[in-house]
Amino acid sequence: DVKVTQSSRYLVKRTGEKVFLECVQDMDHENMFWYRQDPGLGLRLIYFSYDVKMKEKGDIPEGYSVSREKKERFSLILESASTNQTSMYLCASSSPAPSGRVPEQFFGPGTRLTVL
Amino acid sequence: GQNIDQPTEMTATEGAIVQINCTYQTSGFNGLFWYQQHAGEAPTFLSYNVLDGLEEKGRFSSFLSRSKGYSYLLLKELQMKDSASYLCAVSDSNYQLIWGAGTKLIIKP
Repeated sequence: DVKVTQSSRYLVKRTGEKVFLECVQDMDHENMFWYRQDPGLGLRLIYFSYDVKMKEKGDIPEGYSVSREKKERFSLILESASTNQTSMYLCASSSPAPSGRVPEQFFGPGTRLTVL
Repeated sequence: GQNIDQPTEMTATEGAIVQINCTYQTSGFNGLFWYQQHAGEAPTFLSYNVLDGLEEKGRFSSFLSRSKGYSYLLLKELQMKDSASYLCAVSDSNYQLIWGAGTKLIIKP
């Protein structure tokens, strides 16, 4: 059974703290993504990676950074957490496109982060 | 700009049929996805359309018209467990997914 796991389901942090969110996938996928999801808004892409050591900015990268040292692991870092980063964070992975397969993204269970 | 529109909320009755519409304007098109997301959970894949027409998968069907920038998800024989948000997403010219805000479907007995 394919799986994407995230390090925490719930996190509470204080303003200014450095926050690490980790994501691991066991499907040998090249592509990995970090999104945030807020009520009334669609999923918004923060960063993505098509290969180890590679990263690309998404639509809302400000205040975030990422690390991909191994193919299966993609970490999201909030350098100095702020209250407007309170959100649900979702990690996803997929095969590269076009690949002849349906390029669906598989999601982790999400991390609900609250910044006080 | 790129835009995906879908209704915010819909209500339907158990056992009935409901159609959730999605219209899109994107730079390029490499397929349209529907995902289901129960409250507090991750989105799960339902369907993928890249050619015009209807794709049927059990109680769920998805339709695509590329010339109209339009898709719908059809759910038949509604069950209470179908209460969820349904997300429409389009893969653009760079194979990036552009997401709609989702349609919250409420099923009443």
